[in-house]
Amino acid sequence: QSVLTQPPSVSEAPRQRVTISCSGSSSNIGNNPVIWYQQLPGKAPKLLIYYDDLVPSGVSDRFSGSKSGTSASLAISGLQSEDEADYYCATWDDTLSGPVFGGGTKVTVL
Amino acid sequence: QVHLVESGGGVVQPGESRRLSCAASGFNFGAYGIHWVRQAPGKGLDWMAFIQYDGSNEYYADSVKGRFTISRDNSKNTLYLQMNSLKAEDTAIYYCAKDRDGMFSSGWYVDHWGQGALVTVTS
Repeated sequence: QSVLTQPPSVSEAPRQRVTISCSGSSSNIGNNPVIWYQQLPGKAPKLLIYYDDLVPSGVSDRFSGSKSGTSASLAISGLQSEDEADYYCATWDDTLSGPVFGGGTKVTVL
Repeated sequence: QVHLVESGGGVVQPGESRRLSCAASGFNFGAYGIHWVRQAPGKGLDWMAFIQYDGSNEYYADSVKGRFTISRDNSKNTLYLQMNSLKAEDTAIYYCAKDRDGMFSSGWYVDHWGQGALVTVTS
C-alpha cells in the first residue's frame, strides 16, 4: 500500500488531454513539493516535473503539474502514442522522514 | 552528460549477500547525494536508501534498515549497496539515482537514473 494514491490506469484518445491524480496527506503532499516521473516500458524512470509544476529542460511542454492542498495532478495535453508509460508521483513524507512514491498510473493511448 | 551504470545483479539464494555497484560519470560525483530505489517485478518504485555527498550520513527505509548498507568512494566515482540476509521480497530492479542536491532533505528529487540491476532472490 503506497503512501500516495494514484489511479492504476487512465486512457484517452490521441490528441486529447489526460489528467493523473496523486492524493496524499498533510504530512507529505500538503507540506512538501511534488515530483513526477515517467517510466517508458522496460526503461528507467525519467524526471518529468519537479517542485509541483516546474518542467526540466528537454521535457515537452505538453506535460504540466499542479497541486492543491493534499493532492497533486499531472496533465498531458495533445496525447501521443509515445506517452504510453507508467507515471509516478513522489514527495517527502514528514512522518516517515524520507521520500515516498505513489503506486503509479499506466497511461494508455486508445 | 550524466551517466549511471549499475552492476552486480544476479540470482542469489535467500539468506545470502550481494553487493551492487553504481559507476558514475559526467558530473561532479562528490558534490551530490545518491539514492537507491528499487522496483519489484510489475510493481511501483520504492525508495531504499540515500547517502550524503561526502558519505558522512546514510538514510534507509525501514524495510531494509539493518540489512542493507549504502556507501560510496568519491575517489572512484562509485556508489555501493551491500545487501545482506536477502529475502524473496527483495527481488527487484535496483536503480541508483542522482539527487539534485548533496544533502537529504524535503526538497529532494532525483534528476538522473541508472538503467537498473536486477536482483533475483530464489532458492
